[in-house]
Amino acid sequence: KAGVTQTPRYLIKTRGQQVTLSCSPISGHRSVSWYQQTPGQGLQFLFEYFSETQRNKGNFPGRFSGRQFSNSRSEMNVSTLELGDSALYLCASSIDHTGELFFGEGSRLTVL
Amino acid sequence: GENVEQHPSTLSVQEGDSAVIKCTYSDSASNYFPWYKQELGKGPQLIIDIRSNVGEKKDQRIAVTLNKTAKHFSLHITETQPEDSAVYFCAAFTSGTYKYIFGTGTRLKVLA
Repeated sequence: KAGVTQTPRYLIKTRGQQVTLSCSPISGHRSVSWYQQTPGQGLQFLFEYFSETQRNKGNFPGRFSGRQFSNSRSEMNVSTLELGDSALYLCASSIDHTGELFFGEGSRLTVL
Repeated sequence: GENVEQHPSTLSVQEGDSAVIKCTYSDSASNYFPWYKQELGKGPQLIIDIRSNVGEKKDQRIAVTLNKTAKHFSLHITETQPEDSAVYFCAAFTSGTYKYIFGTGTRLKVLA
């Protein structure tokens, strides 16, 4: 059974640009959530989608957005990039609301 | 807002010794408490979890205890091995809000 797949794994952008990250959940998983991981802050919750609906959102500015498609694949977008957006962005999927998360290996974003 | 405090932030033990990591959560409605292990360059992986109707759970060298009254839960690793070296995260999940709150992580080093 394939795990959670995130693309791209690494990317470098400059301030002011935008970026789109993609996540393919484990087959059959309908919930996808996104986290930002930085050395000092740990894992910060961005948002969670279930059946194409955003169920929950963390405390991030509106520059961070996401969506989920009918096949459960998800994308997140960050517009007008800032240096502080440099981080590892992790996607996790789960079957439903039972709680167990399965993480991808992340997309490492560097903003110059 | 809700938060999860995790201690210590770093922990060094000799191979064969035990390691204990402690977390405290604030949301009394939290009902699922997983522990994740993150190795360098990888996404977090679930190693053990406990639900609010259970006080203790064990899986070989790893155990988790939960004190709902005090809102504490702990990870215990016995007979530590060098491959246990990683960053460990605790989390508290509330099924009513589909929300995960993660601790800030503990870097465990097992010295051979």
